[in-house]
Amino acid sequence: SQQGEEDPQALSIQEGENATMNCSYKTSINNLQWYRQNSGRGLVHLILIRSNEREKHSGRLRVTLDTSKKSSSLLITASRAADTASYFCATDARGSSNTGKLIFGQGTTLQVKP
Amino acid sequence: DAGVTQSPTHLIKTRGQHVTLRCSPISGHKSVSWYQQVLGQGPQFIFQYYEKEERGRGNFPDRFSARQFPNYSSELNVNALLLGDSALYLCASSSVAGVGQETQYFGPGTRLLVL
Repeated sequence: SQQGEEDPQALSIQEGENATMNCSYKTSINNLQWYRQNSGRGLVHLILIRSNEREKHSGRLRVTLDTSKKSSSLLITASRAADTASYFCATDARGSSNTGKLIFGQGTTLQVKP
Repeated sequence: DAGVTQSPTHLIKTRGQHVTLRCSPISGHKSVSWYQQVLGQGPQFIFQYYEKEERGRGNFPDRFSARQFPNYSSELNVNALLLGDSALYLCASSSVAGVGQETQYFGPGTRLLVL
């Protein structure tokens, strides 16, 4: 079963606007990662935020984590047409057996119109 | 450095057949994980291998099996293929295994179509 749930499922914006995607999860985590996927290809790692971190930046990306609400958000600033893709959050559940199993949500499909 | 590589890129099989998918991790990475992604959904964990040993298994039937070789490359085998096995199969590598450890880096995937 999916642990993370992304919201919204689909987002359409104009180039230059900001895009915000949210992710909620169910169990305690060690870290949360965001990935991008273009047209059914492989996943590209964007950013990892650990459970003791609240905010992290990487270029035009800003990720926040609220462990009390079991939620995370991904903000893409000044979006470009090349940002058009599906975005997934993935968690690894704290307390699970010692594996690197990632649990993915169903993703947010972002369309950036030129 | 090369990223994670997978072969083949595309594959068409018929029901009941067997398939073998291959993955080479990033140089220096000892952990390989396999995921299945059905169209419109997020990836689902199938297996993780670390140092040639199975470290985790997802909720998949025994038709799915995998192994890791001394050079840390890996194979995913699926027997008695069903139509529902049609999906993108993703391989991911990381330098270590374990909860809360390193980032997992994904390959381009193998798209399997079962007719």
